[in-house]
Amino acid sequence: DAGVTQSPTHLIKTRGQQVTLRCSPKSGHDTVSWYQQALGQGPQFIFQYYEEEERQRGNFPDRFSGHQFPNYSSELNVNALLLGDSALYLCASSHKAGGPPYEQYFGPGTRLTVT
Amino acid sequence: AQSVTQLGSHVSVSEGALVLLRCNYSSSVPPYLFWYVQYPNQGLQLLLKYTSAATLVKGINGFEAEFKKSETSFHLTKPSAHMRDAAEYFCAVSEMNRDDKIIFGKGTRLHILP
Repeated sequence: DAGVTQSPTHLIKTRGQQVTLRCSPKSGHDTVSWYQQALGQGPQFIFQYYEEEERQRGNFPDRFSGHQFPNYSSELNVNALLLGDSALYLCASSHKAGGPPYEQYFGPGTRLTVT
Repeated sequence: AQSVTQLGSHVSVSEGALVLLRCNYSSSVPPYLFWYVQYPNQGLQLLLKYTSAATLVKGINGFEAEFKKSETSFHLTKPSAHMRDAAEYFCAVSEMNRDDKIIFGKGTRLHILP
């Protein structure tokens, strides 16, 4: 049973560029959440996708956007990159039909470095 | 609004000694509470969760945590530390039956001394 997978594992971008990160949920899961983990900090909730729609959003600017595909995989897009966007981006999947507390399974993350 | 406070960004214990990682939470509704572990260059792994059943929750790798509503605490313990327990530990909260957004604490790095 494949767990949550993310690609790429590492990425280096320049300020002002755009980046797309990808996530495939655990088999049987229908919900994908994205988190940003800055160095030395806990993960911060960016947004969540369910049924191909953004359902919840944390305190992140509109430069952060996402998408969920019919196969439940998801993309996180960040436009106009800033140095402060350098972080580990974690994807987590869960199964809404299973009821709360919607245990989330995390992927290994994508390390984004903005120079 | 929900929040989590982890006391101590670094904790050092000797191998074989008791591990105690402290967590206090704030929530306006009954919470779900979690402890996650993160090993270097890896994602998060769920250690245990509290979901309003037993207040003493047992998790993987010999860890357990006790929910104390009166103290708004959910401290993580392990009777005897192993070298392999060295990692970053995150306490987290979500609002029961409302949504599944998880709010994390800033983490505690556990160091095991030989």
